[in-house]
Amino acid sequence: KAGVTQTPRYLIKTRGQQVTLSCSPISGHRSVSWYQQTPGQGLQFLFEYFSETQRNKGNFPGRFSGRQFSNSRSEMNVSTLELGDSALYLCASSLFGSGSYNEQFFGPGTRLTVL
Amino acid sequence: AQSVTQPDIHITVSEGASLELRCNYSYGATPYLFWYVQSPGQGLQLLLKYFSGDTLVQGIKGFEAEFKRSQSSFNLRKPSVHWSDAAEYFCAVGGDSGYALNFGKGTSLLVTP
Repeated sequence: KAGVTQTPRYLIKTRGQQVTLSCSPISGHRSVSWYQQTPGQGLQFLFEYFSETQRNKGNFPGRFSGRQFSNSRSEMNVSTLELGDSALYLCASSLFGSGSYNEQFFGPGTRLTVL
Repeated sequence: AQSVTQPDIHITVSEGASLELRCNYSYGATPYLFWYVQSPGQGLQLLLKYFSGDTLVQGIKGFEAEFKRSQSSFNLRKPSVHWSDAAEYFCAVGGDSGYALNFGKGTSLLVTP
């Protein structure tokens, strides 16, 4: 079974631009979560989607948004990029919805550099 | 609110020596606890998890962890470290926000010959 895939693996953007990152979960997984990893703040939860609905959201500004498609693939978008948005963005997928707590499987991440 | 503290930012051990990485959590109810490992340029790989039951859990790659409620700890151990274990290790707790994990800052493990 293929793992979580993220595209692209590396991105370089300039301040003010916007960016879209993509995540394909493990086949059959319906939940996709996004995390931002930086040396200073560590791993921080961005948001989680289940069956095309955002269920949870972390403490990030509205410039960070996401969506999930009917095939469970997810995208996240960052508008008006700032230097501080430079980070590794990790996507994680898991099986079920509420009522059980399932293991999250992480993708390799997208390394975003904002110049 | 839940939180995780990993007191050691860096740890250096000799190959073949034993290893213990510390993790302390703050959470009102019984937490869901995880240890993940991240190699350079890679995503996170789950080593082991604790949801309930036996407080000593076995994971992959010869790792184990012990849940101690009285100490709010979930320390990771390995009896004999291999050079390939050099990586960043993250402890995480879940529970408040469904599937959102709250991670510690990580411990960087260096293995010397």
